[in-house]
Amino acid sequence: DGGITQSPKYLFRKEGQNVTLSCEQNLNHDAMYWYRQDPGQGLRLIYYSQIVNDFQKGDIAEGYSVSREKKESFPLTVTSAQKNPTAFYLCASNQPGGANYGYTFGSGTRLTVV
Amino acid sequence: QKEVEQNSGPLSVPEGAIASLNCTYSDRVSQSFFWYRQYSGKSPELIMSIYSNGDKEDGRFTAQLNKASQYVSLLIRDSQPSDSATYLCAPLNDYKLSFGAGTTVTVRA
Repeated sequence: DGGITQSPKYLFRKEGQNVTLSCEQNLNHDAMYWYRQDPGQGLRLIYYSQIVNDFQKGDIAEGYSVSREKKESFPLTVTSAQKNPTAFYLCASNQPGGANYGYTFGSGTRLTVV
Repeated sequence: QKEVEQNSGPLSVPEGAIASLNCTYSDRVSQSFFWYRQYSGKSPELIMSIYSNGDKEDGRFTAQLNKASQYVSLLIRDSQPSDSATYLCAPLNDYKLSFGAGTTVTVRA
């Protein structure tokens, strides 16, 4: 079955440590997205990529980095510069030009600073 | 991303009743609109999409869109306990979704 796989499901980060969240899709979608969700808030866009080897900052990109070397993969690194990284991170994909289709989401990674 | 506002919850309805969820958006160029359901601790799942003014029905769900008023709504008829979740409104603009904070619905058995 086609879908998006995020790993790990739970991740603990120590102060000053960089961590990388994995996102892989087999839907053949060109576009991929990273969102952050905090309790009681909507999803906020961190980074997005509409094509391989290209990506753009979203609304809250500070303290995060991404790469898009392969169509199916869009990993997110949470750097030590991100001062409040504890949140639920969601990866999504869709096909640009397919305006009739919303995103498909992965199952999410819950990141906690310890 | 542009602002998306949803009616504040939580919304508590008895089983079998209609749950009415409202959403307004500020970006006039938005053309496609999506409703997602999110169970606690889970990722959002798409339940409805709507692109044209008027109503769109899918099973127990009806989405309503009024682009002139920048308003979109979701009705859940014959509410079931399994409908208890947070519902997110998401307009699409430039291939990116903006999300409201969500309305939490609780269906009382």
